[in-house]
This record gives sequence, C-alpha cells and structure tokens, in this order.
Amino acid sequence: EVQLVESGGGLVQPGGSLRLSCAASGFTFSIYDFHWVRQATGKGLEWVSSIGTTGDTYYLGSVRGRFIISREDAKNSVYLQMNSLTAEDTALYHCVRARDGLNYWGQGTLVTVAS
Amino acid sequence: QSVVTQPPSASGTPGQRVTISCSGRSSNIGSHYVYWYQHLPGTAPKLLIYNNNQRPSGVPDRFSGSKSGTSASLAISGLRSEDEADYYCAVWDDRLLGHVFGTGTAVTVL
Repeated sequence: EVQLVESGGGLVQPGGSLRLSCAASGFTFSIYDFHWVRQATGKGLEWVSSIGTTGDTYYLGSVRGRFIISREDAKNSVYLQMNSLTAEDTALYHCVRARDGLNYWGQGTLVTVAS
Repeated sequence: QSVVTQPPSASGTPGQRVTISCSGRSSNIGSHYVYWYQHLPGTAPKLLIYNNNQRPSGVPDRFSGSKSGTSASLAISGLRSEDEADYYCAVWDDRLLGHVFGTGTAVTVL
C-alpha cells in the first residue's frame, strides 16, 4: 500500500524555521519526483516546491531563497526546510508523489506561523 | 493571484453535464500538459486527468479533459452527488519556473 506520511509541522513564531519530513513506503521511491503543495484555510491549492529524481529543484517565487527541498532515497524520505517563516506560510502542507501528474497525496502536516 | 483562472463555481442537477474552464497563457497551458484534481472536504486531493485528457486507472469515464490553445476544460457528465467537490487545474509555467494551480471551482450538485 502506497503511503506518504508528513511530519514536522507545528506552531512557530514569525522569522522562525521548521523542517517538514515525508516518509514514503509501498513503492519504489527513487523513480518518482516529489512535490510539496500547501493549502491555507479557506484558500485554494498552492504549489510550493518540487524535486526530481536527479535532485533538480524548483520553488514557488515567494519561498525561493527561504525554503529548501531535499530527498534521501536511502531513507525513502523527502524534506522541506522552511526558514524566515511569515504568517503567509501558514497552511496545511501536503507531500505529493509525481509521475504523469501529482498522483498520490499525503494527508498533510499543519504549519502555523504566529506570535 | 494565480496566472491560471477558473470560474469560482459551477452547478448542475444529477445526470447533467457540467464543464469547468481553465484559462492561462502561452507560457503555461499554451506550452504544457494540463492536469485536473478533485478535492473533497477533509480528504487529500485526487488526480482526475493527466496529460490534458488521460484518466488514471479508477477514474470514471464520466470525467474528461480537453485543451485548446491557452485554455483547457474538464467535463463531468452524468453528474452525481458524490461529484460535489472543489476542482483545480494545474500546469507548469515557463515564466514562473514552477507549477501553478488554477483558482479552483466549487461544483455543487443541486
């Protein structure tokens, strides 16, 4: 059974940092790209970042320079290091597997940026 | 403000056909595949259509996608109560160097 389990969310003060993790199981991890997609309460889906099988990375403009996506194939894991957080980063963050579209989504981990 | 726009809402009665539009630019829809996602409240989003018009296994053939120029559309035929959800198109954008979701359309079954 395919599983993507996110962790690492929580309450953080503006300017703080968090590291999200995504543990994958049930499939061959190394052949897939992975994305992080977020949704703020009452808002639509927003793509945040992606990492390819060769480590190529892409970022939403507003997070570029603050967030870093990485993967560790040996541990079947994807990470999102988030720095200099602002209230606009408050959202549910989903880890998503990708091949011919974002074809499997985790349930998400909630990030709240507030003082 | 997303560079890919959708109508905020659409509705129909059971059995009807509903179409959702997705309008973009030459740098996104005009150059790349379009994907469609269904998001039911309290659940993770689900891929409905990939590569403009392909359905993943398990997606009913009531759902169909198309693309022309810088616009795409999702059609739901034989509308059912369980189709009540938010629907998003998504596409890569060459100018933003990232993926973009459309603004989303809430479908209501009357």
